[in-house]
Amino acid sequence: NAGVTQTPKFQVLKTGQSMTLQCAQDMNHNSMYWYRQDPGMGLRLIYYSASEGTTDKGEVPNGYNVSRLNKREFSLRLESAAPSQTSVYFCASSEGIFLLNTEAFFGQGTRLTVV
Amino acid sequence: AQSVTQLDSQVPVFEEAPVELRCNYSSSVSVYLFWYVQYPNQGLQLLLKYLSGSTLVKGINGFEAEFNKSQTSFHLRKPSVHISDTAEYFCAESNAGGTSYGKLTFGQGTILTVHP
Repeated sequence: NAGVTQTPKFQVLKTGQSMTLQCAQDMNHNSMYWYRQDPGMGLRLIYYSASEGTTDKGEVPNGYNVSRLNKREFSLRLESAAPSQTSVYFCASSEGIFLLNTEAFFGQGTRLTVV
Repeated sequence: AQSVTQLDSQVPVFEEAPVELRCNYSSSVSVYLFWYVQYPNQGLQLLLKYLSGSTLVKGINGFEAEFNKSQTSFHLRKPSVHISDTAEYFCAESNAGGTSYGKLTFGQGTILTVHP
């Protein structure tokens, strides 16, 4: 079972370049999330989509945009990359928005370096 | 606002020794608590979760955690660790109140290193 698939796995960008991180899940989940992971800071929520057609800001949305293309896919876009966006990005999905008896399933991450 | 504090950034132990990874949460409303594990170069996977009921929760790979409401803690324990338990462990909270309703808040992570 594929679960949550992220592409690419690694990326190096120059400051000011743009790129889109792709995420797809095959579990028919309603909710999807983008997190960034930085050393000593755990995972911080960038954006989430509670259901198809809706997106909302998380804890650290500045510099990012998202698109919930359909129920399966949730992309994260960096319009003008900055060194502060160097991080590991994780996509996750869940049946509901983290309520009773739901669990978040994570992709394997995208390691992004902005130089 | 929700916050989750993991009290140790790194925990080194020897193989077959017991281990406790400490986690404190802040929410005063109904709270759901989770422990996730991240093996090197992988995503996170769920170890165990507390939703309600018994305060002692058992998870995969021999781990267990105890919910303590009076101390707002949810410490993770294993009586005898293996080399394969070397990983980073994250405590997370989801609560039923406020503007962060239903969303996971993660702690800073604890790196468990098991030595032979």
